[in-house]
Amino acid sequence: KNQVEQSPQSLIILEGKNCTLQCNYTVSPFSNLRWYKQDTGRGPVSLTIMTFSENTKSNGRYTATLDADTKQSSLHITASQLSDSASYICVVILFSGGYNKLIFGAGTRLAVHP
Amino acid sequence: SAVISQKPSRDICQRGTSLTIQCQVDSQVTMMFWYRQQPGQSLTLIATANQGSEATYESGFVIDKFPISRPNLTFSTLTVSNMSPEDSSIYLCSVGYGRGYTFGSGTRLTVV
Repeated sequence: KNQVEQSPQSLIILEGKNCTLQCNYTVSPFSNLRWYKQDTGRGPVSLTIMTFSENTKSNGRYTATLDADTKQSSLHITASQLSDSASYICVVILFSGGYNKLIFGAGTRLAVHP
Repeated sequence: SAVISQKPSRDICQRGTSLTIQCQVDSQVTMMFWYRQQPGQSLTLIATANQGSEATYESGFVIDKFPISRPNLTFSTLTVSNMSPEDSSIYLCSVGYGRGYTFGSGTRLTVV
């Protein structure tokens, strides 16, 4: 069964600290993996897109890693800011029947406190 | 990337009524997607809307409850019909472009 599991479910950190969010998946055939940030009351916004051959990709203070062998990804946030408070969703894309299908994780709800 | 304008952003509706949600895209796209996000949960695909053909619904979603229109390549609507409190959710539209997917800002629906 195609599944994406994220941990932790929620996380509270102090402003300026780093944190790492985890994503494990059992999706086949794998096409690519994306991390999205969803602010409360808003739609998801793309942070990174990673293909099978990419191990690390950065977008400012966000760094995503991918281990295609173990089917794990992580999102590392450096020097957190209050504006980083949001849900972070891991999405794995599989290509089947001529179409992409998006498999969503349940998200990690991050709260950054001053 | 494509830019999506979704409205309304939120609404409170009476049980038994219907609400139509609109999504306008700033460029022509072949496929548009409609999702539901229940409180504290991730996104669930409702249907895929293709221009010129009937929408394709996922398991658990039916056209009578969630009729979709796709009159052209830049616009789509989703109607939530005969609403009950269980329909209280965020509804989002999405489009694919190149290697990316863009989401609308969502419609927060509360049914009372």
